[in-house]
Amino acid sequence: DADVTQTPRNRITKTGKRIMLECSQTKGHDRMYWYRQDPGLGLQLIYYSFDVKDINKGEISDGYSVSRQAQAKFSLSLESAIPNQTALYFCATSERTSGSAEQFFGPGTRLTVL
Amino acid sequence: AQSVTQLGSHVSVSEGALVLLRCNYSSSVPPYLFWYVQYPNQGLQLLLKYTTGATLVKGINGFEAEFKKSETSFHLTKPSAHMSDAAEYFCAVIRVYSGAGSYQLTFGKGTKLSVIP
Repeated sequence: DADVTQTPRNRITKTGKRIMLECSQTKGHDRMYWYRQDPGLGLQLIYYSFDVKDINKGEISDGYSVSRQAQAKFSLSLESAIPNQTALYFCATSERTSGSAEQFFGPGTRLTVL
Repeated sequence: AQSVTQLGSHVSVSEGALVLLRCNYSSSVPPYLFWYVQYPNQGLQLLLKYTTGATLVKGINGFEAEFKKSETSFHLTKPSAHMSDAAEYFCAVIRVYSGAGSYQLTFGKGTKLSVIP
């Protein structure tokens, strides 16, 4: 079984709809992250969480919110989706160690907002 | 602030040829540097990383990278390309936010590698 799972893998929605992307991990890591990937732009950090009570905004948090329901679960919400939020979204985890800690990525959720 | 520049959004090599993917970074402190690979329809996985010590770092699948502080570079190489190496490659550097333990990755824009039979 995969260590970092994301649901759904693909989602098509309409402008104005609320949508939630979910991430679960079995690695036992404290830290979890949400990234957005757009072609030619690399990955940009949306939100990150160092533990259940510690949630922080990343580079591009406007229009997004998150919830850390448990150590193993970290959800990303789009309260009112808009077309420029069409992208590939990745969840990642890492250990609570130094900055050299590797991040482990989920398989991604492809979101299309019409 | 840390940043990463990957030279070339697309690189094509023949099977068996040398692979060279370029990455330059800017950092006000000694950096931690990473190369990640993304195969089609998959998430990213770590190829290799440089933290301290030996400047030539070996990773998975025959890849290696050399940290050159004087050139602020961390180029990725492989002596002989295989068809299975076709993927997108991302260089990344640690960004240090305020507060202890606040380490975040800053990614380059990626280089898509094509391998020609």
